[in-house]
Amino acid sequence: DTAVSQTPKYLVTQMGNDKSIKCEQNLGHDTMYWYKQDSKKFLKIMFSYNNKELIINETVPNRFSPKSPDKAHLNLHINSLELGDSAVYFCASSHWGRNTGELFFGEGSRLTVL
Amino acid sequence: AQSVTQLDSQVPVFEEAPVELRCNYSSSVSVYLFWYVQYPNQGLQLLLKYLSGSTLVKSINGFEAEFNKSQTSFHLRKPSVHISDTAEYFCAVSSSFGNEKLTFGTGTRLTIIP
Repeated sequence: DTAVSQTPKYLVTQMGNDKSIKCEQNLGHDTMYWYKQDSKKFLKIMFSYNNKELIINETVPNRFSPKSPDKAHLNLHINSLELGDSAVYFCASSHWGRNTGELFFGEGSRLTVL
Repeated sequence: AQSVTQLDSQVPVFEEAPVELRCNYSSSVSVYLFWYVQYPNQGLQLLLKYLSGSTLVKSINGFEAEFNKSQTSFHLRKPSVHISDTAEYFCAVSSSFGNEKLTFGTGTRLTIIP
């Protein structure tokens, strides 16, 4: 059983298109995250949702819009894709408030913008 | 705000030799510290963490890290590495006061030479 699953794993698209990445977790966690890992492997948090409520929103272009229909799902929609959006996007989940730092990550979605 | 510096981007080590991966952090508040490991084409997994108590923490696969507050460091060590340890290792920090926001270092690629 995959704990945190993302789809698709690979996405190749043209500049200007709109795309979505989906994430689901079956761990019973109440908090989910999106992280972006660039070509130099640098990981940076983009968003975090707790019980469907946005709690962390880093400086991310508003072309990126997260949506959490329920606490087990956090999707990421990207409008008007740019070359610089090419990266691996990781979804993660945790129990809020325990602050143990243990995030459970999905396997990543590699986005390539041509 | 917190920041993490991993001084070595790549560390090649012969099999069965010891290794140390360096991590320094900066924070104006007390922190929790973590090491995550990313195997090729996978998501990140928590390797070990320091929250409180003993400053020496250990993982189940032989890694250990020591929290040194005066030197603001959390270096990762293993006395004898195996081929299976080949991976990217990320040091991370979070505030001990609440939210689950992890700030990651830029990673160290550990390559084991047979």
